[in-house]
Amino acid sequence: RKEVEQDPGPFNVPEGATVAFNCTYSNSASQSFFWYRQDCRKEPKLLMSVYSSGNEDGRFTAQLNRASQYISLLIRDSKLSDSATYLCAVVYSGAGSYQLTFGKGTKLSVIP
Amino acid sequence: DAGVIQSPRHEVTEMGQEVTLRCKPISGHNSLFWYRQTMMRGLELLIYFNNNVPIDDSGMPEDRFSAKMPNASFSTLKIQPSEPRDSAVYFCASSLGTINTEAFFGQGTRLTVV
Repeated sequence: RKEVEQDPGPFNVPEGATVAFNCTYSNSASQSFFWYRQDCRKEPKLLMSVYSSGNEDGRFTAQLNRASQYISLLIRDSKLSDSATYLCAVVYSGAGSYQLTFGKGTKLSVIP
Repeated sequence: DAGVIQSPRHEVTEMGQEVTLRCKPISGHNSLFWYRQTMMRGLELLIYFNNNVPIDDSGMPEDRFSAKMPNASFSTLKIQPSEPRDSAVYFCASSLGTINTEAFFGQGTRLTVV
């Protein structure tokens, strides 16, 4: 079983739609969680961190469910510019180490 | 801040040749990661260093791959001998290595082995 799993998509949604991505992780001792965005032929860049209480940044909302070991990303009022691949990332840190593991990513295409 | 710097950006080499990828992390970051990305496997963690020490290399596919971090500002990933199935984008990322701190990626090296 992979440590971090995502639905690869693609998700094809019309402009203005709301879309949600989920990501599950296997290590219950994971401590930090992130969503990254990767544009075609570019490097991944941080979209937002995911906090235990949930957090919002404009049209984006991230949530964490530790009991079920998943994180989610909700995009409201989607724009053409939101088309990209979204990767979740999970950090396990302990005993002098810091391990950052990514899911394979979910591809989103926002259609006019 | 120059960010994470990788070189070369593109590399085309013949099967059997040695390939060396280079990475300069962000100054002050003490965790460094090497990832490989392909369509089939996504972003795979190959190896990561903490304070220049390799912590986990279980993601390195086989003995043909090796990585070093001789100092806090430089790391290399070497493939010897290279094979066509090594063709991928190789990313280096660095982080402060503390809880809730993000990792910053370099622009990647696109490797093609023919």
